[in-house]
Amino acid sequence: DIVMTQSPDSLAVSLGERATINCKSSQSVLYSSNNKNYLAWYQQKPGHPPKLIIYWASTRESGVPDRFSGSGSGTDFTLTISSLQAEDVAVYYCQQYYSTPPLFGQGTKVEIK
Amino acid sequence: DVQLVESGGGLVQPGGSLRLSCAASGFTFSNYWMHWVRQVPGKGLVWVSRINSDGSSISYADSVKGRFTISRDNARNTLYLQMNSLRAEDTAVYYCARGFHCSGGSCYDTSFDYWGQGTLVTVSS
Repeated sequence: DIVMTQSPDSLAVSLGERATINCKSSQSVLYSSNNKNYLAWYQQKPGHPPKLIIYWASTRESGVPDRFSGSGSGTDFTLTISSLQAEDVAVYYCQQYYSTPPLFGQGTKVEIK
Repeated sequence: DVQLVESGGGLVQPGGSLRLSCAASGFTFSNYWMHWVRQVPGKGLVWVSRINSDGSSISYADSVKGRFTISRDNARNTLYLQMNSLRAEDTAVYYCARGFHCSGGSCYDTSFDYWGQGTLVTVSS
């Protein structure tokens, strides 16, 4: 199984400041035949299901604000919120979908400082 | 609009059974692989099972293998999860989610792009 580890477990950021979440996979999730990283990021607000915000490590889902960006390749990935807004308070999960089981990271809680 | 609506959750005693359903609409259900993911309230996301578009390929998490059965009825646009021999540790909100799909000769794997609202399963005496 490809295990996903996120850091930090939580972070508090001032409104308008940058938030950065890291995700590391125990094996590469880069598919060599198409050069795509099978890594997704989800946002989950209290009482709601997860919402896909980034797939293929860096492609924003339709409708997701451009303050959200994903980067990285192979085993190390980052989700960046360039200017934190109040509505971005949530738990963020990374997930690999390179192989079964498609495991999630443990989550990172983002709060306002 | 794409909609996934879970039902069938509730309170069940340890050792009991429950069948969850996920009604899909707004997309061609038979083209998509589907997944079940669960979440203990306040905890993280745990993948449970997946089924491919025609039901010929199925996978389970080790924690539910031999106890849970995933299935689908493409004519009814519905995904199921039969849960037997339930344990206290199966208590969670269960979500269905849409995954990989092929259409028009092309295939797309953008992870889990739509999720239902979830249904709560509580296993307790």
